[in-house]
Amino acid sequence: SYELTQPPSVSVSPGQTARITCSGDALPKQFAYWYQQKPGQAPVLVIYKDTERPSGIPERFSGSSSGTTGTLTISGVQAEDEADYYCQSADSSGAWVFGGGAKLTVL
Amino acid sequence: QVQLQESGPGLVKPSETLSLTCAVYGGSFSGYYWSWIRQPPGKGLEWIGEINHSGSTNYNPSLESRVTISVDTSKNQFSLKLRSVTAADTAVYYCARGSATLVRGLIVHNGMDVWGQGTTVTVSS
Repeated sequence: SYELTQPPSVSVSPGQTARITCSGDALPKQFAYWYQQKPGQAPVLVIYKDTERPSGIPERFSGSSSGTTGTLTISGVQAEDEADYYCQSADSSGAWVFGGGAKLTVL
Repeated sequence: QVQLQESGPGLVKPSETLSLTCAVYGGSFSGYYWSWIRQPPGKGLEWIGEINHSGSTNYNPSLESRVTISVDTSKNQFSLKLRSVTAADTAVYYCARGSATLVRGLIVHNGMDVWGQGTTVTVSS
């Protein structure tokens, strides 16, 4: 079955830049989507179609994609950005797949 | 402001069928994709399947043999049935709305932009 691979954890100091990667063989042909999930809450879409940001999401959140890797970048990380981040994409049959999630810790 | 609300039993016995409903409030039901996603305790998200307003479905291959998702447009709601449950099906179950646009004849998805708050389902005797 298709898998999306994320680092389990990423740590960054406030004000620095956090980069969370997502690797998958189909990413050159499929868009990546990114969700933020805080404890006890439902996920929130922060990036769609690799680079698009939904309304209401701060500009410090951005996305990029190159080859088999998608990247979520958070510039000027704030304490409130501490959360789990999940990437999502589709396999060749159109079934959605989530990455295992990356826990962002703000030191 | 569209809101989604999951409902259903919080406790299901092993080998029985888990049944949940997601009600859609404050927005159009047609033109969107409606998904079920679950999250076992302390673990990541797992997509279960989706349905559109016309009833076309798409399922996670690993769950497809046990899952049925249906829609009731007259009530603006869609439902999940998961058969033959075991303890491994214990999770928080979320419903979510996905949108898509047609670009040069291809469906391009815009992500799952509205989620319910989730409902906890425990499988235990």
